Amino acid sequence: DAGITQSPRHKVTETGTPVTLRCHQTENHRYMYWYRQDPGHGLRLIHYSYGVKDTDKGEVSDGYSVSRSKTEDFLLTLESATSSQTSVYFCAISDGDRSYNEQFFGPGTRLTVL
Amino acid sequence: AQSVAQPEDQVNVAEGNPLTVKCTYSVSGNPYLFWYVQYPNRGLQFLLKYITGDNLVKGSYGFEAEFNKSQTSFHLKKPSALVSDSALYFCAVRDPYSGGGADGLTFGKGTHLIIQP
Repeated sequence: DAGITQSPRHKVTETGTPVTLRCHQTENHRYMYWYRQDPGHGLRLIHYSYGVKDTDKGEVSDGYSVSRSKTEDFLLTLESATSSQTSVYFCAISDGDRSYNEQFFGPGTRLTVL
Repeated sequence: AQSVAQPEDQVNVAEGNPLTVKCTYSVSGNPYLFWYVQYPNRGLQFLLKYITGDNLVKGSYGFEAEFNKSQTSFHLKKPSALVSDSALYFCAVRDPYSGGGADGLTFGKGTHLIIQP
């Protein structure tokens, strides 16, 4: 999985609790992304980062925040988890600043919010 | 806005037969197009991409894809299917006029490919 790890790999939590998912890369790539995967929706972009402390919102950013204090780590936080955030979350990385660069994906985190 | 459509939720093919997984797209200019594969409980793996030039793109595991600008399509193909090709396949697009590599890909909903022995 291209030098990308995600932790935890599985998590069950309760509605209203905060949750932080971590993405760690060893590729020194500039760009990092968080997606969620839901049946019938494919993958949808939550947030992305184009450098340390540089982040921006994606298509489905409501209820999520991110931080990137180091090149290798990109954190996704659900401040107060809801059942609609039950999903599989994927981190991706990309090198360079060209739109045609492919993204490489981590193994995913399965999050269940009860 | 850019979008991708994968019209088939599932495609069934007999082993040894050719396979096609369909994808159509909508972008404002000339697109960058990608195919990914996802095996159960795994992340997505990059298969191939189209940037410019030859309309037939070759990728990993014997897959290829044909870009057709007039039909706004980018269908994934393989001449002879293997049972091990059974997986979930995603087509994705990026508008070349988007902000460099910063923003993400727009994915289709995915197509389950089932290869029957």
